[in-house]
Amino acid sequence: GAGVSQSPSNKVTEKGKDVELRCDPISGHTALYWYRQSLGQGLEFLIYFQGNSAPDKSGLPSDRFSAERTGGSVSTLTIQRTQQEDSAVYLCASSLDRFNEKLFFGSGTQLSVL
Amino acid sequence: AQTVTQSQPEMSVQEAETVTLSCTYDTSENNYYLFWYKQPPSRQMILVIRQEAYKQQNATENRFSVNFQKAAKSFSLKISDSQLGDTAMYFCAFMSDSGYALNFGKGTSLLVTP
Repeated sequence: GAGVSQSPSNKVTEKGKDVELRCDPISGHTALYWYRQSLGQGLEFLIYFQGNSAPDKSGLPSDRFSAERTGGSVSTLTIQRTQQEDSAVYLCASSLDRFNEKLFFGSGTQLSVL
Repeated sequence: AQTVTQSQPEMSVQEAETVTLSCTYDTSENNYYLFWYKQPPSRQMILVIRQEAYKQQNATENRFSVNFQKAAKSFSLKISDSQLGDTAMYFCAFMSDSGYALNFGKGTSLLVTP
């Protein structure tokens, strides 16, 4: 595709529900990142995928958060038993490979937990 | 871990004027990359300019230029001839040459007024 695509654009959910956020990176990009942007804060690194290597999950804030990347392309970030503090914009980015520092970002998913 | 500090939460500039956004960072590494990203209301992060630490020459992209002071660990962004479309959040970011995750500052909200 022309750019990084994320869906849904906005998601409103009730506390305790599970949500899935999707990221479709630029075709051919092997590196994929998830970041979280809370109100008034910078971007917080969550997880990194590089090709078929084991992902770096060091930024995931709790075990309620998980992510997978199928076939080295589309990625899904899952938040189980959502809490109000999970409300944020979740941004996905991709780059050509690990050695290319130019990241291309999607428009993010605004998650609101009521 | 590297930290990135943006000390100006908000700034305002009149159209056609020049504005400088500040950024400092903390690292013990010698090789790294520095970035300025722009985030308009669409939420998509857009790369404005990048600087490689081993290059002494300051990067320039049209109306955007940086003042990179490696010894002082300072990386400011100068926007010349400000335009209304420059209104956005601006984030300074750091990436280690040996890493792959961007570390972001908390951002500066820039408002360009007519």
